[in-house]
Amino acid sequence: NAGVMQNPRHLVRRRGQEARLRCSPMKGHSHVYWYRQLPEEGLKFMVYLQKENIIDESGMPKERFSAEFPKEGPSILRIQQVVRGDSAAYFCASSPASGKFSYGYTFGSGTRLTVV
Amino acid sequence: AQKVTQAQTEISVVEKEDVTLDCVYETRDTTYYLFWYKQPPSGELVFLIRRNSFDEQNEISGRYSWNFQKSTSSFNFTITASQVVDSAVYFCALADSGAGSYQLTFGKGTKLSVIP
Repeated sequence: NAGVMQNPRHLVRRRGQEARLRCSPMKGHSHVYWYRQLPEEGLKFMVYLQKENIIDESGMPKERFSAEFPKEGPSILRIQQVVRGDSAAYFCASSPASGKFSYGYTFGSGTRLTVV
Repeated sequence: AQKVTQAQTEISVVEKEDVTLDCVYETRDTTYYLFWYKQPPSGELVFLIRRNSFDEQNEISGRYSWNFQKSTSSFNFTITASQVVDSAVYFCALADSGAGSYQLTFGKGTKLSVIP
């Protein structure tokens, strides 16, 4: 049973380009969570999605960032017009239907975004 | 509001020494979960342990042990007979209902260096 899969592992973008980060949850999991690890700031929650629904996006920057989790396919974290400050590691986790921690909480290997 | 403090920013030990990583948390909830994650130099987040607030039994897994004390709001992590492969950043994290029971609040991490 494969774990949470994230790709690409490393992504380099020039300022102003778009970045798309993908997350495939564990089999049978319908809830996805995105976290960002900025240098000096640690790991912070960004957004919680169920299939076709955004449940909580309280940690998402107000502009340029969006997330989706379609009925079919992976969850996508999209960053438009990237800036150097977006350089970070982005981690995804998934859980079964309830979204509660009693079911565990395993992260993917992360995507390291570098904006040049 | 929930908060996790890892007061030790960096620790260096010589191989085979024991080392304890401290974690102090704050929460108003009576039901919560505590976690430890390891982030090796390769960058992924490796789940180590999850403990709920009703289970104060200490846990041992090989060279790893965890001491959960509700009276002092601490969840400390000890590595016995450290090895070079233990070199990593270790994160303590908290989830409570104040954050919707799905958000993890992370400490800033402790960087452990094990010197051969």
